[in-house]
Amino acid sequence: AQSVTQLGSHVSVSEGALVLLRCNYSSSVPPYLFWYVQYPNQGLQLLLKYTSAATLVKGINGFEAEFKKSETSFHLTKPSAHMSDAAEYFCAVSGGQGAQKLVFGQGTRLTINP
Amino acid sequence: GAVVSQHPSWVICKSGTSVKIECRSLDFQATTMFWYRQFPKQSLMLMATSNEGSKATYEQGVEKDKFLINHASLTLSTLTVTSAHPEDSSFYICSARVIGDQIYSNQPQHFGDGTRLSIL
Repeated sequence: AQSVTQLGSHVSVSEGALVLLRCNYSSSVPPYLFWYVQYPNQGLQLLLKYTSAATLVKGINGFEAEFKKSETSFHLTKPSAHMSDAAEYFCAVSGGQGAQKLVFGQGTRLTINP
Repeated sequence: GAVVSQHPSWVICKSGTSVKIECRSLDFQATTMFWYRQFPKQSLMLMATSNEGSKATYEQGVEKDKFLINHASLTLSTLTVTSAHPEDSSFYICSARVIGDQIYSNQPQHFGDGTRLSIL
């Protein structure tokens, strides 16, 4: 079984500050990990994915995430927040041969203060 | 590439009517599509996995007679909410995997923009 826990349902940072969204996973097989972003009344857009290659993954819009097996974590970061980053962020996990399902975390709402 | 279109984006209807939501992969073929339900300020809950040419696989607790899924082609899956009631009001999102990717769990799902369903 797989699960994802996102620490903090709501994160608020100032424009230009560091963004850190936390994600911890549990998986009985080597995981594949994803971060998605959702803007109001829209579907999900893929930010980045970890698929057992490089542990530091760079995504779109200046986001990156680091896979740390020892900590079972896949935290999302961005050095300098922009007002347009305000959205809901979801961490998700899948894994195992033929495993098609994505298991999502609870989501973290990111607010950017001017 | 990998665009998924959902229609309609918003629907309001009376209690007791049936509502059909379409999910189309515009620039790729998808053997597998997924249907999710999202309540306000909550995460996505997988309702069912839609497989082209075969019966959908429903998650535990999802009424298959209530939420009818048809995946008749490699680019279209439909979700019909039958005899809808106010408690069925929600945001429904579909996603799809590029054909050939279904055996690779490291490939991302591509999401539609969702359908907001409001039952009066």
